[in-house]
Amino acid sequence: EAGVAQSPRYKIIEKRQSVAFWCNPISGHATLYWYQQILGQGPKLLIQFQNNGVVDDSQLPKDRFSAERLKGVDSTLKIQPAKLEDSAVYLCASSLGTSNNNEQFFGPGTRLTVL
Amino acid sequence: DQQVKQNSPSLSVQEGRISILNCDYTNSMFDYFLWYKKYPAEGPTFLISISSIKDKNEDGRFTVFLNKSAKHLSLHIVPSQPGDSAVYFCAAIRGSNYQLIWGAGTKLIIKP
Repeated sequence: EAGVAQSPRYKIIEKRQSVAFWCNPISGHATLYWYQQILGQGPKLLIQFQNNGVVDDSQLPKDRFSAERLKGVDSTLKIQPAKLEDSAVYLCASSLGTSNNNEQFFGPGTRLTVL
Repeated sequence: DQQVKQNSPSLSVQEGRISILNCDYTNSMFDYFLWYKKYPAEGPTFLISISSIKDKNEDGRFTVFLNKSAKHLSLHIVPSQPGDSAVYFCAAIRGSNYQLIWGAGTKLIIKP
């Protein structure tokens, strides 16, 4: 079974530029998560989708971050414009649903460096 | 507001000995706790979990203990192996959307 795919793996941009990340979850997984992991910290949830609907985006900085999950499968996360503090690893995860028994499977992440 | 805390950034253990990783939490409403393991350049992978109604869960070399009165849980690895060298994250589940609240992680180094 293929895992969660993310691209690109690494991205370096200058502040005020735009960047987009792509995630392809495990086939059949209804729930998709985007996390931000700053160096030395645990992952922080940015947004959670259930199929193509947003369940929670309370921690997404909506003035510069946006995310979509068209057709309830792939998802993209965009930052526009980027700030220095956005340097982090962006992790995508998926699960069958939302319950205690629904394990979250993570992709390898995209490491973003903002100069 | 750090609701899940891992106070040891790193831990070094001799191969074959016991590794004990600790985690503290502040929210008594958490109803499920998980441990994830992360290798460099990879995403976290699920290791073991425990429900808040239990005080112990065991899976092979891995055992998680939960002390609700102290709001503390620990992960025991016996015996420790070189492949166990990784960053270990403690996480708690809250809310009906089953969102994970993560600690900062502890880097475990197993010495040969």
